[in-house]
Amino acid sequence: IAGITQAPTSQILAAGRRMTLRCTQDMRHNAMYWYRQDLGLGLRLIHYSNTAGTTGKGEVPDGYSVSRANTDDFPLTLASAVPSQTSVYFCASSPGLEVDEQFFGPGTRLTVL
Amino acid sequence: GQNIDQPTEMTATEGAIVQINCTYQTSGFNGLFWYQQHAGEAPTFLSYNVLDGLEEKGRFSSFLSRSKGYSYLLLKELQMKDSASYLCAVRDNDYKLSFGAGTTVTVRA
Repeated sequence: IAGITQAPTSQILAAGRRMTLRCTQDMRHNAMYWYRQDLGLGLRLIHYSNTAGTTGKGEVPDGYSVSRANTDDFPLTLASAVPSQTSVYFCASSPGLEVDEQFFGPGTRLTVL
Repeated sequence: GQNIDQPTEMTATEGAIVQINCTYQTSGFNGLFWYQQHAGEAPTFLSYNVLDGLEEKGRFSSFLSRSKGYSYLLLKELQMKDSASYLCAVRDNDYKLSFGAGTTVTVRA
């Protein structure tokens, strides 16, 4: 792997189902982030982690949970999906929270029906 | 929280110059970023300003005035490949980014 990857690329999900979006980076970055991008609203931070074992809430955390068991992986879980969670989800990483540049994954397009 | 405003769309001709403005109202400020995002792709980092003034990087320049809550991204010698969305983002004192809705730039031949 080179950089940051996300899976799946896209998914259609029935409301009420549980879904985990995967994110893996091989850059040994300490900080990782999850954003959702909706038309007209831009990118909004859902959750973040500044190092393995710690997580924090962003601007729109409700309905989502994350874990950071190791440096490389940062999965995002929707416990019971709702149609308002239809969005494009981007995972990002940076060497540390205070470092300037964030590197983004290719995104997951999620549709909840 | 942060309130970040930028125009929705801009159109310019190949070879021309375009300036994308961004204004912000923040509860904390620790830097302003510009990202480029081509349709269907991930955002990529363009520039970072934390002090007032102009930062130049090739055909792209970014300006910041902290007292005015204002930044702009200047794209010179426009090329067709510059057609994309440009995202203004402000970092708060907790190092979290808040993004504007983005400005879609269309470059015409």
